[in-house]
Amino acid sequence: DAKTTQPPSMDCAEGRAANLPCNHSTISGNEYVYWYRQIHSQGPQYIIHGLKNNETNEMASLIITEDRKSSTLILPHATLRDTAVYYCIVRIPWVDGGADGLTFGKGTHLIIQP
Amino acid sequence: NAGVTQTPKFRILKIGQSMTLQCTQDMNHNYMYWYRQDPGMGLKLIYYSVGAGITDKGEVPNGYNVSRSTTEDFPLRLELAAPSQTSVYFCASQWPSGSGDTQYFGPGTRLTVL
Repeated sequence: DAKTTQPPSMDCAEGRAANLPCNHSTISGNEYVYWYRQIHSQGPQYIIHGLKNNETNEMASLIITEDRKSSTLILPHATLRDTAVYYCIVRIPWVDGGADGLTFGKGTHLIIQP
Repeated sequence: NAGVTQTPKFRILKIGQSMTLQCTQDMNHNYMYWYRQDPGMGLKLIYYSVGAGITDKGEVPNGYNVSRSTTEDFPLRLELAAPSQTSVYFCASQWPSGSGDTQYFGPGTRLTVL
């Protein structure tokens, strides 16, 4: 799996959009970008994933650059409950014949300020 | 659905003691995983299973054993507890579906070995 680089921490004001960057310059053509988050003392929670098109769901939007070497997770209207560690993970999803786990780095600690 | 449940939530062991961490999922997922998370770090994969009767080692399997006799249960066994095994343990499950193979995590077991 390709390695990712994320800032260790970020602040964002409540109600504003939180934009979390991730660099994955060695990503290969069949690797997807996944985002998970971990609220303090809880298990990680899936947020969103994508291959090359921008994606949006009820939690967030994922913007992937055209060369796929970086991406941005956008939380459109951050609340205090969005304070968490956010992990950007690049991997080839399971297709056939086996599975491997997720490779978690240290992530970005996003702090939402009231 | 209860999702992924883990017991116990907390446990203190003495060096050399043994214990089993329980993990159960009710989503009929084929894939299950055990991770450990040391303070300030990301998660590391201990063992995983792609179905009943099939298990495989992850990144940090030493000191642990697993079994998978049913689809629902994936217990993790510590035979001779050591202080280095002090960590938070997370179980996860996944329904393999190509690009959408997201993992669902339990709430974790916080283990201290003294």
